[in-house]
Amino acid sequence: GQNIDQPTEMTATEGAIVQINCTYQTSGFNGLFWYQQHAGEAPTFLSYNVLDGLEEKGRFSSFLSRSKGYSYLLLKELQMKDSASYLCAVRDSGGSYIPTFGRGTSLIVHP
Amino acid sequence: EAQVTQNPRYLITVTGKKLTVTCSQNMNHEYMSWYRQDPGLGLRQIYYSMNVEVTDKGDVPEGYKVSRKEKRNFPLILESPSPNQTSLYFCASRGTEGYEQYFGPGTRLTVT
Repeated sequence: GQNIDQPTEMTATEGAIVQINCTYQTSGFNGLFWYQQHAGEAPTFLSYNVLDGLEEKGRFSSFLSRSKGYSYLLLKELQMKDSASYLCAVRDSGGSYIPTFGRGTSLIVHP
Repeated sequence: EAQVTQNPRYLITVTGKKLTVTCSQNMNHEYMSWYRQDPGLGLRQIYYSMNVEVTDKGDVPEGYKVSRKEKRNFPLILESPSPNQTSLYFCASRGTEGYEQYFGPGTRLTVT
């Protein structure tokens, strides 16, 4: 089984930087995902990490440390439209290849 | 346009009345899955399928059935819905080559 933990809610100011952490415990690791989900909408893919280190994609970056069971999503130059839930998901090394999701972090961006 | 479609988008029904939520993808993906999403609980996997005629239980399969007779379709069946199945449901698909899951728009189900 898997245990994925992320903060329930965070707030930040427009233009600032915010880091959303995710810790996980899994019997075997085969990748970590971050998705963004606006209220009432489908999740949309942000990033995928399978090796240690930082992956940068525009204003968003994702970091992974497999030895620590830890990841973070870094959002720079925050915009109001970044207000959403951010879902951390981990795929284990079993046969399903389907990731298990954490409960999500609701990010509120203030003007 | 590559997409995952679900129908209906909204459904209000009564306890015990069988219903089916359809899911279809046009990307020739092998993997498909169903999730439910409830406040404070996040996305929880109901069932998944690795290919035609290959399905398996996820974390919360009780009260649900699925079938995968064709590669593009993966319907979710509630034989006797109950109020605790009131939720937002998402279908998702992924190909063997990639790692990104593509989600459908969601089906909001209310069982009274």
